Amino acid sequence: GAVVSQHPSRVICKSGTSVKIECRSLDFQATTMFWYRQFPKQSLMLMATSNEGSKATYEQGVEKDKFLINHASLTLSTLTVTSAHPEDSSFYICSARLGGGAKNIQYFGAGTRLSVL
Amino acid sequence: LAKTTQPISMDSYEGQEVNITCSHNNIATNDYITWYQQFPSQGPRFIIQGYKTKVTNEVASLFIPADKKSSTLSLPRVSLSDTAVYYCLVGDFFDGGYQKVTFGIGTKLQVIP
Repeated sequence: GAVVSQHPSRVICKSGTSVKIECRSLDFQATTMFWYRQFPKQSLMLMATSNEGSKATYEQGVEKDKFLINHASLTLSTLTVTSAHPEDSSFYICSARLGGGAKNIQYFGAGTRLSVL
Repeated sequence: LAKTTQPISMDSYEGQEVNITCSHNNIATNDYITWYQQFPSQGPRFIIQGYKTKVTNEVASLFIPADKKSSTLSLPRVSLSDTAVYYCLVGDFFDGGYQKVTFGIGTKLQVIP
């Protein structure tokens, strides 16, 4: 159980285009989802926390107008990288929080490798 | 959030037991300790979570001393496929809401044939 699906797994795009990444909790409802970014040989950096039906909470230094997050349902959150530039190339990972008896365990998607040319 | 300190890397031979210790000196009473495993180009995978004493599942064991200022993840009889980065996270998960977690640099475990 507790499967999180993330699509696409890899995106190559031209500079200036927008890219949407989907994160779905397949077998549980997730009121809270998280978006992380990971650069090579570095740890995961939290970008934002996405709560169903409300605006996302962004970490300091993350541009909310550039990284648009939508969490319209209990099983889907999307991250849109608007007007992507080469410096946005990174590994983006989402997670969904499983609450209840398993306290605040996050289940992660497989990640999306974004390459902006 | 409690800060965690782990060894940056560890090497182990196949078949050995591996113990990775995480220090969290300023852990709060209600904090839980959670470990994740990450393979290259994949999202982290939950391994185990504990609050106190010892927790064991089909994958690993987690030892937490009484003062909770450290914890040890124990992987029995590692294989090459256990080569990965292991993260220790600490947080209070009973606050009625969510608590964001902060990933440290993790411990890169290299299993040697």
